[in-house]
Amino acid sequence: SAVISQKPSRDICQRGTSLTIQCQVDSQVTMMFWYRQQPGQSLTLIATANQGSEATYESGFVIDKFPISRPNLTFSTLTVSNMSPEDSSIYLCSVNRQGPNEKLFFGSGTQLSVL
Amino acid sequence: AQSVAQPEDQVNVAEGNPLTVKCTYSVSGNPYLFWYVQYPNRGLQFLLKYITGDNLVKGSYGFEAEFNKSQTSFHLKKPSALVSDSALYFCAVRDGAGGGNKLTFGTGTQLKVEL
Repeated sequence: SAVISQKPSRDICQRGTSLTIQCQVDSQVTMMFWYRQQPGQSLTLIATANQGSEATYESGFVIDKFPISRPNLTFSTLTVSNMSPEDSSIYLCSVNRQGPNEKLFFGSGTQLSVL
Repeated sequence: AQSVAQPEDQVNVAEGNPLTVKCTYSVSGNPYLFWYVQYPNRGLQFLLKYITGDNLVKGSYGFEAEFNKSQTSFHLKKPSALVSDSALYFCAVRDGAGGGNKLTFGTGTQLKVEL
C-alpha cells in the first residue's frame, strides 16, 4: 500500500491569489498524478508528474495555470495560480502501483473554495 | 480512447437487500477495471480491480464485481447492503495495451442505503 499525505486539507482563497498544494508519499514512486474533482462531478486528470522532467498536462490544463514541481521521488506540489471561483474544487494527488497488485492510491484531497 | 459510463446518478436500496451499481466501459485493448468509493470529506478508497483471470472479483467490505466482456460491463454488487455503505462510488478504466498510466473515471453513483 501507499500512504499519501496531502495538505492543506482545505482552504478558502481570494480571487487572483495562488495556492500551493503539497503531496508526500511514504515510498518512492515514479509517477504522481494530480486530479481535480469539481462539485458534483467526476475526477479529471490534470497532469502526470515525473521526477526530473516537466509534468505532462492533459487537454484543457496548462502549466501557467497549474505549475507542478516534482523535486524527488516522494514529493510533489501543485499550484493553482491566479484563482477564480471556477477553480473551486477538490484537488487530489495519487500514485499508481502497477503490476499484479496495481491500484491507484489517493491522498485525502484539498477542498479549495475561491471567493 | 477510453471511457466509462455510470448510467445511474443515484441508487437507493434498503438495508439487507442486494445492491448493484452499474458500469460500462470502452477501451481499444484489454481493460483494467477498478472500483473506488468516496466517503464525505475523504479521499478515494480502492475497493477492487479486474486485470485478468476470474471474471468475478471480490474486494473490500464484502463488495464484488463481475467482468463481462461481451457486454463491456463491470457492475459492482453486494449481497446485503449496509447503511454504512452509503457513499459515492466511481468506476474507472485503463487500457492495458498502451493506455499508459491514465485512469479514466466515470461520473460516479451515489449509493444511499436506508433502514
